[in-house]
Amino acid sequence: KQEVTQIPAALSVPEGENLVLNCSFTDSAIYNLQWFRQDPGKGLTSLLLIQSSQREQTSGRLNASLDKSSGRSTLYIAASQPGDSATYLCAKTSYDKVIFGPGTSLSVIP
Amino acid sequence: GAGVSQSPSNKVTEKGKDVELRCDPISGHTALYWYRQSLGQGLEFLIYFQGNSAPDKSGLPSDRFSAERTGGSVSTLTIQRTQQEDSAVYLCASSPGVVLARAKNIQYFGAGTRLSVL
Repeated sequence: KQEVTQIPAALSVPEGENLVLNCSFTDSAIYNLQWFRQDPGKGLTSLLLIQSSQREQTSGRLNASLDKSSGRSTLYIAASQPGDSATYLCAKTSYDKVIFGPGTSLSVIP
Repeated sequence: GAGVSQSPSNKVTEKGKDVELRCDPISGHTALYWYRQSLGQGLEFLIYFQGNSAPDKSGLPSDRFSAERTGGSVSTLTIQRTQQEDSAVYLCASSPGVVLARAKNIQYFGAGTRLSVL
């Protein structure tokens, strides 16, 4: 069974800290790995997409890495801000399925 | 439109009634996806469309669920004889590519329809 897990389930950090969110998946048949942000009551916003041939992608303070052999992806957030507070989901795409992790709920305390 | 639009934003219905949820994808996007997010649960993939066809419908939870897409644009997700366990947020997304597996197919999500079955 294909599964995607995320650790930790919840995280609370003071403003300014650097942090890492983890995503693990079974089955190395992956086409891309995407990180999303979800704010309460709103839809998902795509943050970064890493193709299976890539190792990492960067956008502003965000950096996502992908290690297919170990079945892991990490999202690194530098210099966290209160506006970063949200739920972060990773999603693994194989040929005909998209499987989401359960998400990490992040709170950045001013 | 500028983004993925879903309607209604909220729907309250009685058990046993049928409901239709609508999704307007970003103009020009050929792929369209439906997901369900139940309270306290992760995001569940339901179905995706390449143009007007759905290659894999196995993600639909039961035969009470059906989806269609016409003109390569608007899609409707229909739930017949709704049950309380159907209560969830139903999210729609679209992406530019035709093939789901295309590596650069970033998905753009709508705000969702919150369905409550009483």
